[in-house]
Amino acid sequence: GQQLNQSPQSMFIQEGEDVSMNCTSSSIFNTWLWYKQDPGEGPVLLIALYKAGELTSNGRLTAQFGITRKDSFLNISASIPSDVGIYFCAGRNQFYFGTGTSLTVIP
Amino acid sequence: EAQVTQNPRYLITVTGKKLTVTCSQNMNHEYMSWYRQDPGLGLRQIYYSMNVEVTDKGDVPEGYKVSRKEKRNFPLILESPSPNQTSLYFCASSLRGGGQAFFGQGTRLTVV
Repeated sequence: GQQLNQSPQSMFIQEGEDVSMNCTSSSIFNTWLWYKQDPGEGPVLLIALYKAGELTSNGRLTAQFGITRKDSFLNISASIPSDVGIYFCAGRNQFYFGTGTSLTVIP
Repeated sequence: EAQVTQNPRYLITVTGKKLTVTCSQNMNHEYMSWYRQDPGLGLRQIYYSMNVEVTDKGDVPEGYKVSRKEKRNFPLILESPSPNQTSLYFCASSLRGGGQAFFGQGTRLTVV
């Protein structure tokens, strides 16, 4: 099946710090989606990207669709404790999900 | 309220005892799928369905069955559960295959 590699696998940061994570694929995608999973819940969509090179923001979150169409990046600025959770990237075509980045924010 | 509902939320069972996890969505979505989530492996797709009576295997279908007799329901069936199927399971639906997925709250299954 499709392989989406996310890095880093986990992050421990201080409140207020910025966060960067990325996702790479062995194949080209036409859509990239970023989801967040709160502890004990199902994933929820954060940002959707539909065009190579696109840069989209949602509050403190910014995501980019890589020019090669094989990667995507998610940045979180000025992290707060409620940012804790697992972040997943997903490519189109039956929802291939990345391995996830677990984020811990230390107050 | 638009939602995907899974039941049960928690289940402990014994090896070989058939079980069904139900999934229902009220958004009239055509596409539904099942995933299992294991530490370090992310979400892996088990089965998906593009519409009623249309189902297909995902990446890890072995040991699972599904059915899609109605648009709103997509149950996951484990005919003979084994301990390696202990996992957190999620059902998801979307309007179409490439669109935003809406997830259920998950079912934590333990097979002893």
